[in-house]
Amino acid sequence: RKEVEQDPGPFNVPEGATVAFNCTYSNSASQSFFWYRQDCRKEPKLLMSVYSSGNEDGRFTAQLNRASQYISLLIRDSKLSDSATYLCVVADTPLVFGKGTRLSVIA
Amino acid sequence: DGGITQSPKYLFRKEGQNVTLSCEQNLNHDAMYWYRQDPGQGLRLIYYSQIVNDFQKGDIAEGYSVSREKKESFPLTVTSAQKNPTAFYLCASSIGENQPQHFGDGTRLSIL
Repeated sequence: RKEVEQDPGPFNVPEGATVAFNCTYSNSASQSFFWYRQDCRKEPKLLMSVYSSGNEDGRFTAQLNRASQYISLLIRDSKLSDSATYLCVVADTPLVFGKGTRLSVIA
Repeated sequence: DGGITQSPKYLFRKEGQNVTLSCEQNLNHDAMYWYRQDPGQGLRLIYYSQIVNDFQKGDIAEGYSVSREKKESFPLTVTSAQKNPTAFYLCASSIGENQPQHFGDGTRLSIL
């Protein structure tokens, strides 16, 4: 099966910091990409889709680099409530989930 | 409200027993999926179905079975052949195979 690789972390950052996660994927033909957020002992929830031109949703920015086969998620002005595991997802058939990067935002 | 409902939230299995986890969706999604998640680990795909009366094995199908007799329902049976069933089981659905998946809130299965 196609692979999706993420740095497992944990990333421990102070409130207000900017943090970035990268994710690499193996299938150069993949067309759709997503970021999910999973809180401890909860189900994953869709955070944002990743478009080829990059996209922004408030403090969150997602970017795609097809040439290097990686996608990134940037979180600005980190809040305590951003503490979670962030899953990178690549649309093969079916979707391929990375194992996630754990973020802890510290007061 | 549309969504995915998994039941029960917690389930206990005795040795040698089969148990069935329920997953129902009213989102009119064609595709449904079952994942297993162990503590501190990522999601692993058990089975998926892209259309009624059809399903495919995922990465860890051994010891599990599914059916897809109705569009809304995709039950998962954990058989006695699954020797280490203790895990968090997540059901998901999507409009199509390459579309974002929406998850139920999961079932935690434990061995008595």
